[in-house]
Amino acid sequence: EAQVTQNPRYLITVTGKKLTVTCSQNMNHEYMSWYRQDPGLGLRQIYYSMNVEVTDKGDVPEGYKVSRKEKRNFPLILESPSPNQTSLYFCASSPQQGVNSPLHFGNGTRLTVT
Amino acid sequence: AQKVTQAQTEISVVEKEDVTLDCVYETRDTTYYLFWYKQPPSGELVFLIRRNSFDEQNEISGRYSWNFQKSTSSFNFTITASQVVDSAVYFCALSEARYGGSQGNLIFGKGTKLSVKP
Repeated sequence: EAQVTQNPRYLITVTGKKLTVTCSQNMNHEYMSWYRQDPGLGLRQIYYSMNVEVTDKGDVPEGYKVSRKEKRNFPLILESPSPNQTSLYFCASSPQQGVNSPLHFGNGTRLTVT
Repeated sequence: AQKVTQAQTEISVVEKEDVTLDCVYETRDTTYYLFWYKQPPSGELVFLIRRNSFDEQNEISGRYSWNFQKSTSSFNFTITASQVVDSAVYFCALSEARYGGSQGNLIFGKGTKLSVKP
């Protein structure tokens, strides 16, 4: 089954403790991205990657890192999480040239930083 | 700059009523793509429709229909004979073709929460 898999689904952590949210897709998509969803703000892009070893900042990259060493994986790294990073996070992927293909989203990761 | 505005924060209707969700967008590009996504209470994001800027034909899919009007920069979504299962947050989104034809940087509106009561 074609899917984008995020782990974990729920995560509670404390300020300053490094964490990684994993994202993996099995559709051989070139393009992957991370969004965060906050009440009243909708979804905002954090980082995106057009292909392996190619990443770029989205609208709200501060406090986040990403890497794209393999095509299928695009982890989101919070080196020193803070309470303002409490949010619902979505990973997404699509084919680079796939104008007829929708953006495939993972099921989300709800992060709470205390 | 690109922007998507969903002026309706929350809408509440009674089952079987028709409801229209508004979406107004801003872009300087002549080639762009518009999308609607549904987020049910379970939280996942479900793709509903994609339109490109050269195709202004309205589209109907079952009880769902979309009205794309470039003259007013709007891409409104209508649910006919709403059902309780339609209760969700609906997002309108915009992507510009300069991102290589893929969905690139998808700019989302803030969403409209639709509640359909029995």
